Amino acid sequence: AQSVTQPDIHITVSEGASLELRCNYSYGATPYLFWYVQSPGQGLQLLLKYFSGDTLVQGIKGFEAEFKRSQSSFNLRKPSVHWSDAAEYFCAVGATYSGAGSYQLTFGKGTKLSVIP
Amino acid sequence: SAVISQKPSRDICQRGTSLTIQCQVDSQVTMMFWYRQQPGQSLTLIATANQGSEATYESGFVIDKFPISRPNLTFSTLTVSNMSPEDSSIYLCSVDEETQYFGPGTRLLVL
Repeated sequence: AQSVTQPDIHITVSEGASLELRCNYSYGATPYLFWYVQSPGQGLQLLLKYFSGDTLVQGIKGFEAEFKRSQSSFNLRKPSVHWSDAAEYFCAVGATYSGAGSYQLTFGKGTKLSVIP
Repeated sequence: SAVISQKPSRDICQRGTSLTIQCQVDSQVTMMFWYRQQPGQSLTLIATANQGSEATYESGFVIDKFPISRPNLTFSTLTVSNMSPEDSSIYLCSVDEETQYFGPGTRLLVL
């Protein structure tokens, strides 16, 4: 079965500083990988996804993530953090359902990001 | 991407009662999912709901506790039955359009 590890429970950065959120996955095949963001009191919003191809993927709000198969990682980065980025970030891996053409998501425990003005 | 709405957005319920949560999508989708997010925790898949068939439940979740309906390709309901304080969570539905998109969630507090 697949699993996702987000080693950092809580990260605090200053506004304007760079950000990297770590994500490691365990899955026997080529994974579908996702980053979602959840702002306080809100649902989940998709930031970016990796299915195949270029291992550096660009997402919304200036975020990017890099898939590194050798390290089983899919870290999320942003060069300059804004105060509005304060939220909880979830990494997820998707496994393919047999015969259904769709997949099941397994989420990490999340990383809470605080931004200091 | 699909636009997903959920009702109610939040509720406070008494122990032993049941609550039905609705999920409406603005387009027809094959697969819908229901997740639970307990306080301070990540999301856990409860079940997958396909139109015209019984929902498929994940380990630890049973139909008697979380009955699901999927009457058509744009709508689903999740009922949380015989609630206890441990059921206090955010319940989210999601739909699959190559990527899973999530509704805003229903915040449930059981007293």
